[in-house]
Amino acid sequence: QSALAQPASVSGSPGQSVTISCTGASGDLGRCNRVTWYQLHPGKAPRLMIYDASKRPSGVSNRFSASQSGNTASLTISGLQAEDEADYYCCSYVDSCDYVIFGGGTKVTVL
Amino acid sequence: QITLKESGPSLVKPRQTLTLTCSLSGVSLDTTGVGVAWIRQPPGKALEWLALIYWDADTRYRPDVRSRLSITMDTSKNQVVLTMTDMDPVDSATYFCAHSRQYDAFWGGYDYWGQGALVTVSS
Repeated sequence: QSALAQPASVSGSPGQSVTISCTGASGDLGRCNRVTWYQLHPGKAPRLMIYDASKRPSGVSNRFSASQSGNTASLTISGLQAEDEADYYCCSYVDSCDYVIFGGGTKVTVL
Repeated sequence: QITLKESGPSLVKPRQTLTLTCSLSGVSLDTTGVGVAWIRQPPGKALEWLALIYWDADTRYRPDVRSRLSITMDTSKNQVVLTMTDMDPVDSATYFCAHSRQYDAFWGGYDYWGQGALVTVSS
């Protein structure tokens, strides 16, 4: 089964930027729809942060930006704030739209 | 405003069948492009996508559990039902249902989620 690889953790001080990568197996990303990103705080439902690789839903801070090139996607959080401390997951369709997978998740720690 | 709510048992015994219901409001299941997925998170672990049903009743399943899953919808009740057979303690997790919309040029992602239903598998 395909998988999306993410770093287990990243950290930064308030005001700094952090970037989370998401790498798919050959041909996974972009073959059918583009990557989405989710924020997950403990005990809460996931929140959509990015869709179509780089678009922000209404209400999501412009401190969150993302891109996708070939088989790698990335999410950048600029001007890190305490409230950004959470787990972040990338998500993509794979195998020509057969199913969907999430990455392993990245814990963002604000130092 | 779209809302989703999961309902079902909080405790099931090993080898039993789990049935979870997702009730939607604010959107009709038969609206073109609408999809509802089930996603779970075992304690301390990552999100796992399980299954998806589209507005036209087309379905998709996670390959490694496909034989145990069934996702159906009842448009008259605006509900999506997930059944998972042969439950095991490793299936203990918070189960979420989530709404998505497939547009002509892009996928809108899972933009609305239920609060989640904690399911424990134990004898």
